[in-house]
Amino acid sequence: DTAVSQTPKYLVTQMGNDKSIKCEQNLGHDTMYWYKQDSKKFLKIMFSYNNKELIINETVPNRFSPKSPDKAHLNLHINSLELGDSAVYFCASSQGRRPYGYTFGSGTRLTVV
Amino acid sequence: DAKTTQPPSMDCAEGRAANLPCNHSTISGNEYVYWYRQIHSQGPQYIIHGLKNNETNEMASLIITEDRKSSTLILPHATLRDTAVYYCIVRVAQGGSEKLVFGKGMKLTVNP
Repeated sequence: DTAVSQTPKYLVTQMGNDKSIKCEQNLGHDTMYWYKQDSKKFLKIMFSYNNKELIINETVPNRFSPKSPDKAHLNLHINSLELGDSAVYFCASSQGRRPYGYTFGSGTRLTVV
Repeated sequence: DAKTTQPPSMDCAEGRAANLPCNHSTISGNEYVYWYRQIHSQGPQYIIHGLKNNETNEMASLIITEDRKSSTLILPHATLRDTAVYYCIVRVAQGGSEKLVFGKGMKLTVNP
């Protein structure tokens, strides 16, 4: 199926660990995003890549590092996990830099204990 | 950034039209209005967008007032599956790019 797929769907880990979340889209889009949805349900953009180039980098701790090996993939690596990193992380993609027609993945629920 | 204001929640009877209002009184002339929704625990879903003309697609209709200070998303025949948080968004430009900035949204509950 054409989609934005994220792995893993659930991730439980201890404080201080390093973890990665992978995202892949087969829609042929050239722009990908990471959003974070916290416990209060606010969705906030973290990063955006266009053709592997970082174009949006919100105020996110340096412990978060996105990597885009090609335009179909945008992975999120998190170092030294903290309790406050617990959230649902959504990957999304779009064609071009305009915010219509974003396709979101189903999310990765990260729980830091 | 142009901001939007939506009521926190709304109820609608199944089979009836759901009219979801949004105020965006500070919108600029070239800014689009976008609607997304998030069904419980799923990723947000794009619904529709418009600039100044009314728009319709297979999911919904978007009515934008002539002064563009408000809009209404219309789900013509609401079903239980339309229960979700609906976000009205005005694009935010940053460094030649645009990004979606989600507000609190409005919880629509469709009742049987």
